[in-house]
Amino acid sequence: NAGVMQNPRHLVRRRGQEARLRCSPMKGHSHVYWYRQLPEEGLKFMVYLQKENIIDESGMPKERFSAEFPKEGPSILRIQQVVRGDSAAYFCASSPGTGTEYGYTFGSGTRLTVV
Amino acid sequence: GDSVTQMEGPVTLSEEAFLTINCTYTATGYPSLFWYVQYPGEGLQLLLKATKADDKGSNKGFEATYRKETTSFHLEKGSVQVSDSAVYFCALSPDSNYQLIWGAGTKLIIKP
Repeated sequence: NAGVMQNPRHLVRRRGQEARLRCSPMKGHSHVYWYRQLPEEGLKFMVYLQKENIIDESGMPKERFSAEFPKEGPSILRIQQVVRGDSAAYFCASSPGTGTEYGYTFGSGTRLTVV
Repeated sequence: GDSVTQMEGPVTLSEEAFLTINCTYTATGYPSLFWYVQYPGEGLQLLLKATKADDKGSNKGFEATYRKETTSFHLEKGSVQVSDSAVYFCALSPDSNYQLIWGAGTKLIIKP
């Protein structure tokens, strides 16, 4: 079992471009969570998805950010028209059920740099 | 709202020293508490957890006790090794919730 796979590991985008971050959950996990870590800060919850459904997007900025978890394929976090303030590490986690008692498996993260 | 505060790093120790990384929290209700570790270039791994007051989580020689009276969950290890060098994150999960609320992380450096 390969664990949670995130790609790319590093992504550089110019201001105004789009960034697409991918997350393939562990086999058998249908719940995906995205977190963002700004420099010198802890992780902040962004969005929780199950297959084809957004369950909670309360931590995601209303504009420019979107997330999906299609029936087939990885979960995608999409950031349109990136700005310097979007530079951060983005972590994905997956679990087999809802709630922290199921345990999360985290990926290694995607480090986005906006220049 | 709920929050987690942990000691700033980096924390630098010699091998075989005693380790304490402080973590305090603010939360309503009865949160679950966690320590995660991130080794260089890797994802976050659950190190230990505690789900109710006075519970002690332990793993790989690390321990932390859920202290409701002091709202703390300090991480301890009796004798650290160079391989323990990593960033350690304290986190909480509010009552019956799937979200994790994180501290800023503490970088631990162990010198031979």
